[in-house]
Amino acid sequence: SYELTQPPSVSVSPGQTASITCFGDKLGNRYVSWYQQKPGQSPVVVIYQDNKRPSGIPERFSGSNSGNTAILTITGTQALDEADYYCQAWDSSTVVFGGGTRLTVL
Amino acid sequence: EVQLVQSGAEVKKSGESLRISCKGSRYSFTRHWITWVRQVPGKGLEWIGTVDPDDSHTNYSPSFQGHVTISADKSITTAYLQWNSLKASDSATYYCARLATTAPGTHFDYWGQGTLVTVSS
Repeated sequence: SYELTQPPSVSVSPGQTASITCFGDKLGNRYVSWYQQKPGQSPVVVIYQDNKRPSGIPERFSGSNSGNTAILTITGTQALDEADYYCQAWDSSTVVFGGGTRLTVL
Repeated sequence: EVQLVQSGAEVKKSGESLRISCKGSRYSFTRHWITWVRQVPGKGLEWIGTVDPDDSHTNYSPSFQGHVTISADKSITTAYLQWNSLKASDSATYYCARLATTAPGTHFDYWGQGTLVTVSS
């Protein structure tokens, strides 16, 4: 079965750029979405189709996907961006989530 | 604004049956597939399966196939996740989410608030 691999944790200082990776075999051939989940809340999509931002998501969130790696980039990270982030792709008609990355802003 | 409102928290015993619900409103219910996702406390998101509310066609993760049943009643714009025999390992928060489109590689654009299921052994 298809797998997506994320680092368990990433730390960033306020105002700096955070990069969260998602690795999968030939992932660049699939669309990747990214979800943000804060404690006690439901996930929220922050990036879809590799690099599109839904309305209401700040411009500091961006995404890329090439080769075997998709990257979620948060430019000028703010304290309120501290959350768990999950990448997601499709394998035929099944959904695959990455294991999640906890972003700590310190 | 689109809404997915899930049923409330449940406390059950192993072996009991359960059905939780997800009511969609403020959009055309039959035009968007609904998916169910499990999250064990402190763990990540796991895809359970998806239902097409228009014709009730379903698709399951192999990890959950045979243990749960996903269905939908378009007359009341509600999707369901059902167990015939719960296990303690089913204790988790369950989310429903709406697929944005039917295009390949689509994403989940709206999520329910989650339903916490606690199963005691």
